[in-house]
Parts: sequence; structure tokens; C-alpha cells
Amino acid sequence: DGGITQSPKYLFRKEGQNVTLSCEQNLNHDAMYWYRQDPGQGLRLIYYSQIVNDFQKGDIAEGYSVSREKKESFPLTVTSAQKNPTAFYLCASSSGRYEKLFFGSGTQLSVL
Amino acid sequence: GQNIDQPTEMTATEGAIVQINCTYQTSGFNGLFWYQQHAGEAPTFLSYNVLDGLEEKGRFSSFLSRSKGYSYLLLKELQMKDSASYLCAVRDPNSWGKFQFGAGTQVVVTP
Repeated sequence: DGGITQSPKYLFRKEGQNVTLSCEQNLNHDAMYWYRQDPGQGLRLIYYSQIVNDFQKGDIAEGYSVSREKKESFPLTVTSAQKNPTAFYLCASSSGRYEKLFFGSGTQLSVL
Repeated sequence: GQNIDQPTEMTATEGAIVQINCTYQTSGFNGLFWYQQHAGEAPTFLSYNVLDGLEEKGRFSSFLSRSKGYSYLLLKELQMKDSASYLCAVRDPNSWGKFQFGAGTQVVVTP
């Protein structure tokens, strides 16, 4: 079955540490996205990529980095510069700019 | 600015009907989406409106009025499994189709 796989489900970060969240899709979608979800707030866009080897900052990109070396993969690195990283992170993809989003099952990141 | 408002929580009885309202003020509009999200899980697509009117899909219906910046999601014959958060999202054509999400409405279905 086609879908989006995020790993790990739970992740803990120590102070000063960078961590990477994995996102893989086999839907053959060109566009991929990373959202952050905090309690009581809407999903906020961190980064998005329209095509391989290209990506743009979203509304809250500071402290995060991404790469898009393969169509199927869009990993997100939460750097030590992100001072409040505790949140639920959702990866999504779509077949184009006017199509609906398909979401992965999310990664809960917490700070030790 | 961009603003999407929906109620924080609604409670209803199994078998009843619940209507979740969503109002939006965005710089552009290219469709309104409703997603369902169970706790700790991925949001799943429920419905899409781009023209005014009602879209019906089984027990779920969604309505849109672009002139009023207003939508609602109607859940009929509520089941316990419908207890979830319902997210309203507007797509903005001025920002490469980026989605602006509301904070979500937590629906609690009681026996």
C-alpha cells in the first residue's frame, strides 16, 4: 500500500544535540512538507519542497534544516538552535500544489 | 493577515448530529479542507470545498460560503469512533498553494 512513513514515533533530544526525523513516501508525489503541531495551535509549516533538490522555508523555519536528495525522502533536522523543539511533527506530501495533503503518522519530539 | 477560527471543543451524544463551524480570513483562497485527526495519529482527509454550497459524503457533509468566509462540517449519526479533532484548512494560491490550518475542534462523543 502507498503511504508516508515517519520514524521514529517518539524521539528524545538532549540539550545541544541535533536530531533528524525521517520521512519517506512511496506515493510518487513531487511535493513534500514538514509541519509542527503544538497543543491548542494549528499546524504550522516548517519547510516544503516542490521538487527534488529544491526546498523553501515555511513560516517557522528557524532552528530547522531539511534536504531533498531523493523524491521519496524529506528528512528534517532539528538543530540545537531550536530552543523549544518539543512538539508533534508531521510530514505530508501532495501530487501538486492544488492537491490535498497526505500525512504521515507523526513523530513526538521531547527534550530531556 | 491570516486567521482561521473554529471552536475548541464540542460534545455530543452517540447518534446525534454535530456541526463544526470554521471562519477564515486569508489573503487568498483556493479551497477549504476538513481533516480528521485522532490523538497521536495522522490527519486524514474528509472533504474539500472550492465552490459555494454543500458537499455530502456519507455521514459527513461540508458547506462553504466564500462571501462570508465561512464553512461548516456536519457529522450525522455520531459514532464513538468519531471522537477526534477536526481541522479546518484553507489553501492559499498566493503562496504556492500553502495550507493555513485552524487549531482544530475536539469532538467528544458520549454514550
